[in-house]
Amino acid sequence: QVQLVQSGAEVKRPGASVKVSCKVSGYTLSQLSMNWVRQAPGKGLEWMGRSDPEEGEASHAQNFQGRVTMTEDTSTDTAYMELGSLTSEDTAVYYCAIMNVYNSNFPDWGPGTLVTVSS
Amino acid sequence: QSVLTQPPAVSGAPGQRVTISCTGNRSNIGAGYDVHWYQQLPGTAPKLLIYGNSLRPSGVPDRFSGSKSGTSASLAITGLQDEDEAEYYCQSYDISLSAHVVFGGGTKLTVL
Repeated sequence: QVQLVQSGAEVKRPGASVKVSCKVSGYTLSQLSMNWVRQAPGKGLEWMGRSDPEEGEASHAQNFQGRVTMTEDTSTDTAYMELGSLTSEDTAVYYCAIMNVYNSNFPDWGPGTLVTVSS
Repeated sequence: QSVLTQPPAVSGAPGQRVTISCTGNRSNIGAGYDVHWYQQLPGTAPKLLIYGNSLRPSGVPDRFSGSKSGTSASLAITGLQDEDEAEYYCQSYDISLSAHVVFGGGTKLTVL
């Protein structure tokens, strides 16, 4: 059974960057397809992208191109999502989620990290 | 605006049956990609409820069922219970642009 533990809540100024971590236990991170999904307050789910170092490529939703970096530290089984040039519209709960690569669903989710962007 | 369209809200009395629709197009559901459904209780992460259009993960009651036809999919909940009150999201895959994974806007289920 895979477990995901995310870093704590963050408060950032507009224009800053935030880096959220997601530590995997129960499996080796390199065996998994780690994705990131966010949810603004009172809004729906928005897929941000995934990192897949084993295949040598990452895939990001167009809304985040050039602004998001997704990395993995296989020595600690920890995935990271860094989002830059923050605006108030980036205030959201950020989830890491494991994708089932056979049918592209998400059976396992982290608890979420609240990122608040405020001046 | 979400790529997959869901009704914002549905409601039903305990014991009743409700359905939630998820409408896509030829670049996602209509292209043959599977539809998955998630239940999200307030303040918690989404939970996979239905995968592969109609399959239930272990532990999900058989009161929940899914179906897909053409460019749409549906989630049905029978024998409605108070604890079913939650937000429900559909999800699929899309071949257009770079939005490979797409979610519906979510449907709030209220148990009357």
